[in-house]
Amino acid sequence: AQSVAQPEDQVNVAEGNPLTVKCTYSVSGNPYLFWYVQYPNRGLQFLLKYITGDNLVKGSYGFEAEFNKSQTSFHLKKPSALVSDSALYFCAVRDSSGTYKYIFGTGTRLKVLA
Amino acid sequence: DTGVSQDPRHKITKRGQNVTFRCDPISEHNRLYWYRQTLGQGPEFLTYFQNEAQLEKSRLLSDRFSAERPKGSFSTLEIQRTEQGDSAMYLCASSPVVGMNTEAFFGQGTRLTVV
Repeated sequence: AQSVAQPEDQVNVAEGNPLTVKCTYSVSGNPYLFWYVQYPNRGLQFLLKYITGDNLVKGSYGFEAEFNKSQTSFHLKKPSALVSDSALYFCAVRDSSGTYKYIFGTGTRLKVLA
Repeated sequence: DTGVSQDPRHKITKRGQNVTFRCDPISEHNRLYWYRQTLGQGPEFLTYFQNEAQLEKSRLLSDRFSAERPKGSFSTLEIQRTEQGDSAMYLCASSPVVGMNTEAFFGQGTRLTVV
């Protein structure tokens, strides 16, 4: 069965510092991996995805993520955090074995301190 | 095209009442998803459609929940005999049918409060 783990409920980082939000996954086939961001009382906004190819993928708002097959991880990163990056971040996975549903992690709250 | 639209944005209902939510996906998106999100949790998959066919349902979708997409365009999610545990944000998403590698686009959700 597919599953996603986000081990940190909250990540605090100072503005201007690099940030990392962790995600590990489990699938039976090849993974399709996604990151979404959610602001208060809003839906989820797509940030980036890994399908195949380069392990480092770039997305919206300066975010990037690194796919590591051996560690089954897909950590979200940004070189320099902004206060406006403070939000709830969700990692999601789809399995290449046929189901089209997305499975989400429990989310990580990112707090960027001025 | 303004994205996935959900109506209403907020619904307060008394326990035992029936409620219905509507989702209008992005035009020409063949796949439509319903998720439920409670406070502090990630979205939980409920069901999805490809065109008008409901292809998968979660065990979370009890017999009090029913979803339809009669013409392959908009979808409705009905909850009968609501319970306090149904209080949550209900999210709709859509994606085009171009393979496995597409992302889903989410609406802003319908927040249900059962009192």
